[in-house]
Amino acid sequence: QVQLQESGPGLVKPSGTLSLTCAVSGGSISSSNWWTWVRQAPGKGPEWIGEIYHSGTTNYNPSLKSRVTISIDKSKNQFSLKMSSVIAADTAVYYCARYGSTSAYYGMDVWGQGTTVTVSS
Amino acid sequence: DIQLTQSPSFLSASVGDRVTITCRASQDIYNYLAWYQQKPGKAPKLLIYAAFTLQSGVPSRFSGSASGTEFTLTISSLQPEDFATYYCQQLNSYPFAFGPGTKVDIK
Repeated sequence: QVQLQESGPGLVKPSGTLSLTCAVSGGSISSSNWWTWVRQAPGKGPEWIGEIYHSGTTNYNPSLKSRVTISIDKSKNQFSLKMSSVIAADTAVYYCARYGSTSAYYGMDVWGQGTTVTVSS
Repeated sequence: DIQLTQSPSFLSASVGDRVTITCRASQDIYNYLAWYQQKPGKAPKLLIYAAFTLQSGVPSRFSGSASGTEFTLTISSLQPEDFATYYCQQLNSYPFAFGPGTKVDIK
């Protein structure tokens, strides 16, 4: 079965760039699924960041779009998140996830364990 | 953007109770709604998608229903492992917002 694993620095300085990678195992990132990033600030509900298809097509949350880039590396079977100009409010647990089938209609059925990113000097 | 509200935000219940959580969308989302369960320190777990469809492996005591822009998650007989926070998410139009959550606690 497909498994996802996030990796990246746990501490990022204010105004810096947050960079995370999600490794996909047990399946191909080139399958007919969309891949997505979600974050959850301490004590808050989840927030959808954006998504990518293996073709490279992306969709982003407008509230973050100017600072976020999601990319895919099919050779490494992974996808990545970059968020620039981070501030303390970007401190959160970041999850990567997969939609259950060919569209978001099927919900996010596979999630990574999450990685905590703290924005602090 | 589509807004989601959930009620109640907190509920206290006992094992064996029937529990109902409501999620309301600010506009029609054509049943593009999912429900998740989250326990402390864990990723959300998909329970129901497309408003009604039970995700594979999820116990049948969980069910979903819909009436217009109002969606309901029902747990027919609450079990000890069901004490958690529940979120709805709309997947009809970007951005795919989550509801604020309902925490189910032990009475």
